[in-house]
Amino acid sequence: GAGVSQSPRYKVAKRGQDVALRCDPISGHVSLFWYQQALGQGPEFLTYFQNEAQLDKSGLPSDRFFAERPEGSVSTLKIQRTQQEDSAVYLCASRRRGGDGTDTQYFGPGTRLTVL
Amino acid sequence: GQNIDQPTEMTATEGAIVQINCTYQTSGFNGLFWYQQHAGEAPTFLSYNVLDGLEEKGRFSSFLSRSKGYSYLLLKELQMKDSASYLCAVRDLGNTPLVFGKGTRLSVIA
Repeated sequence: GAGVSQSPRYKVAKRGQDVALRCDPISGHVSLFWYQQALGQGPEFLTYFQNEAQLDKSGLPSDRFFAERPEGSVSTLKIQRTQQEDSAVYLCASRRRGGDGTDTQYFGPGTRLTVL
Repeated sequence: GQNIDQPTEMTATEGAIVQINCTYQTSGFNGLFWYQQHAGEAPTFLSYNVLDGLEEKGRFSSFLSRSKGYSYLLLKELQMKDSASYLCAVRDLGNTPLVFGKGTRLSVIA
């Protein structure tokens, strides 16, 4: 597709449920990032993939958060046993190059997760 | 540590010029980005600075001073559609993710 797409756009979960958020990056983009954006805040880094390799997961807030990109394209962010503090917009971004490139990150529209 | 500061809110008049400042303290520096984000939408790329000076792109310009840890985004001939949040983000050396400020919510009024 022309841009980064994410699904679902909105997700309401009951506390304790597991959720899975999907990201389709721009075709051919090597790097993929997940960010969490709370209301009125800037995005905060969660994890980074270069192709299928998860090179940095230092931003994942707890072991309830898990991300994968098994074939180096689509990525899934899974949150187990959701808590109210997990309510946020989850943004995915992709970048054409890997490594230390300074090319632009392109963002998807995000998934707004609300945990009741 | 890493810290990026920008004003929380600004208001400006349609047709005017507005400058949104950003200061940063990071252990390294490998570029500064400005993104625009309308409510409920994805951040969209506006500008990138890695060297000192002014980068101009249409109605938008971005300035960087690495020695001062300072950048600004200049928006000219403001339009109502420019009402959005403007995010300043820095890329640290050796790290690939962007570190974002909290964003500046700009309201353009008639």
